[in-house]
Amino acid sequence: AAGVIQSPRHLIKEKRETATLKCYPIPRHDTVYWYQQGPGQDPQFLISFYEKMQSDKGSIPDRFSAQQFSDYHSELNMSSLELGDSALYFCASTKRGDNEQFFGPGTRLTVL
Amino acid sequence: DAKTTQPPSMDCAEGRAANLPCNHSTISGNEYVYWYRQIHSQGPQYIIHGLKNNETNEMASLIITEDRKSSTLILPHATLRDTAVYYCIVLYNFNKFYFGSGTKLNVKP
Repeated sequence: AAGVIQSPRHLIKEKRETATLKCYPIPRHDTVYWYQQGPGQDPQFLISFYEKMQSDKGSIPDRFSAQQFSDYHSELNMSSLELGDSALYFCASTKRGDNEQFFGPGTRLTVL
Repeated sequence: DAKTTQPPSMDCAEGRAANLPCNHSTISGNEYVYWYRQIHSQGPQYIIHGLKNNETNEMASLIITEDRKSSTLILPHATLRDTAVYYCIVLYNFNKFYFGSGTKLNVKP
């Protein structure tokens, strides 16, 4: 069965650079969630989209933005990167009406 | 979303049942209890969920108390591959997940 795809899987950036993380949900899923997991921490909700509209917002810095496109894939754009942005970034998808979120394998971002 | 409380870690012998407790005393009537696990920085993996009835699937059983203030995830025959952090999450209406600290389950040979 198809799973959630995230790209790239690993990304290394310098401070103050920008990064774009991509998420391709499971086919026919209309809702995407982004989570950030710092080293030794639990996943923290960042933002979610339903049918290409932002549906909820968590502790997402103003330097970050995200959107969901017409094909339902989503991109998380991160600017002015800081050392503290180094983390695993997970995307999850679901179809509204279903009961579970399916998580992708994550993108490991390292800011040097 | 209701908060959950879980023990930080538990040990279990391989082949024995692992019983992972979770307290969610502020849960409301329409909130589901979900269990996910995360194996070594992989994406969290769905295990099971329930509303008020006990549930069982091929991975685990979920026992929810009658007052719904607590639940227990049961892995009937734990293996070394079940070593992971287990998260109990209370969720309403497909909202985002608030991950608590979870329970680190160590399955030992």
